[in-house]
Amino acid sequence: QSVLTQPPSVSGAPGQRVTISCTGSSSNIGAGYDVHWYQQLPGTAPKLLIYGNSNRPSGVPDRFSGSKSGTSASLAITGLQAEDEADYYCQSYDSSLSAPVVFGGGTKLTVL
Amino acid sequence: QVQLVQSGSELKKPGASVKVSCKASGYTFTSYAMNWVRQAPGQGLEWMGWINTNTGNPTYAQGFTGRFVFSLDTSVSTAYLQISSLKAEDTAVYYCARYSQYSSSWYVADYWGQGTLVTVSS
Repeated sequence: QSVLTQPPSVSGAPGQRVTISCTGSSSNIGAGYDVHWYQQLPGTAPKLLIYGNSNRPSGVPDRFSGSKSGTSASLAITGLQAEDEADYYCQSYDSSLSAPVVFGGGTKLTVL
Repeated sequence: QVQLVQSGSELKKPGASVKVSCKASGYTFTSYAMNWVRQAPGQGLEWMGWINTNTGNPTYAQGFTGRFVFSLDTSVSTAYLQISSLKAEDTAVYYCARYSQYSSSWYVADYWGQGTLVTVSS
């Protein structure tokens, strides 16, 4: 069980908008820690998609956006494209000394 | 451009050891910490810890103490992950990832190696 909870799967048709939630607690997201999002295409390494809750690295299309509120964060993808089909992971920090860096369990996005 | 190139896949028997390398290029190696992340087959990402590339001081997540060792060779801009007394449950892809500071207090893993598959099987 991951410290951050994500839906196992989401889907959408090309051109649609989808959101992926990442739910934490008062010891991680709710404590004010930043949230990052990674995209992992099949058979490849994770790639940074969103950092610091809502910032896009250079080269990431503005179809991808992130937000954070309370103990949760969300990744939104607009204008879905076939190449967006991937696993998406949120990551934050936790005040627990045992694992200060925590990931969500990942969400498989299927483009119908 | 920033690149992290990891060593190739390994097949090891239970009880053996393995050393995974992560060679960095395109930036000053000692200016950025290095993380290690594990991904078991069909599973999610699990943070193993990180190493300060300036001091060589490692920090291990719970569950990755004892058999796991992070080390460096700064002369060749390379970080290493060594796992001893391998078990079947160590079978996974291991990633190195550069830690980059984007604000006064915050860091993010902005570049990742391609991953190294370690398979433990008799």
